[in-house]
Amino acid sequence: DTGVSQNPRHKITKRGQNVTFRCDPISEHNRLYWYRQTLGQGPEFLTYFQNEAQLEKSRLLSDRFSAERPKGSFSTLEIQRTEQGDSAMYLCASSLRGVEPYEQYFGPGTRLTVT
Amino acid sequence: AQSVSQHNHHVILSEAASLELGCNYSYGGTVNLFWYVQYPGQHLQLLLKYFSGDPLVKGIKGFEAEFIKSKFSFNLRKPSVQWSDTAEYFCALNSGGYQKVTFGIGTKLQVIP
Repeated sequence: DTGVSQNPRHKITKRGQNVTFRCDPISEHNRLYWYRQTLGQGPEFLTYFQNEAQLEKSRLLSDRFSAERPKGSFSTLEIQRTEQGDSAMYLCASSLRGVEPYEQYFGPGTRLTVT
Repeated sequence: AQSVSQHNHHVILSEAASLELGCNYSYGGTVNLFWYVQYPGQHLQLLLKYFSGDPLVKGIKGFEAEFIKSKFSFNLRKPSVQWSDTAEYFCALNSGGYQKVTFGIGTKLQVIP
């Protein structure tokens, strides 16, 4: 499968713990996005990378959230001191600048449950 | 700020019925508009998109959408639905040269055989 992959697919954690999710985009894609989706809502934009540079960041991304894409390939999203309100599906998407510029390809998501 | 409104949250249709899902957006400038679909157990995938040009755009699986600028609308249509169209449909937009995509709340479509 050459699509966007995300790991883990499910994560259950206790409130106050730190969690980290990984996203591997489609190999030639230089743009990578993180979204969060809660039950009954559409995806909400969190942040965007072009290569290794984080170019856009939503106000939803509080100080407890940090995202990196150190070599311009895979990305990680870390949530520190998790809260119950962080329970959601975290989606990653990628796209290729210069070709179908706004078509984002989504991964399967990581479902986070904070107990 | 940009926003997207989807009017119907849950639609139930019989096979062969016609479909129209409403989508309105709020933004004063140039927009790019999308419909994404999520079939049960699958990833979000792009159904169709509008960037410029012909306001009637055709997508996969017989879907089409019409951009009406004066009404700030981008409704999704299909003349005859099939059971396999059962899915959740999201209208979305981006604008202003930003990569951020804003999604609507989604419409769950259930097609009864």
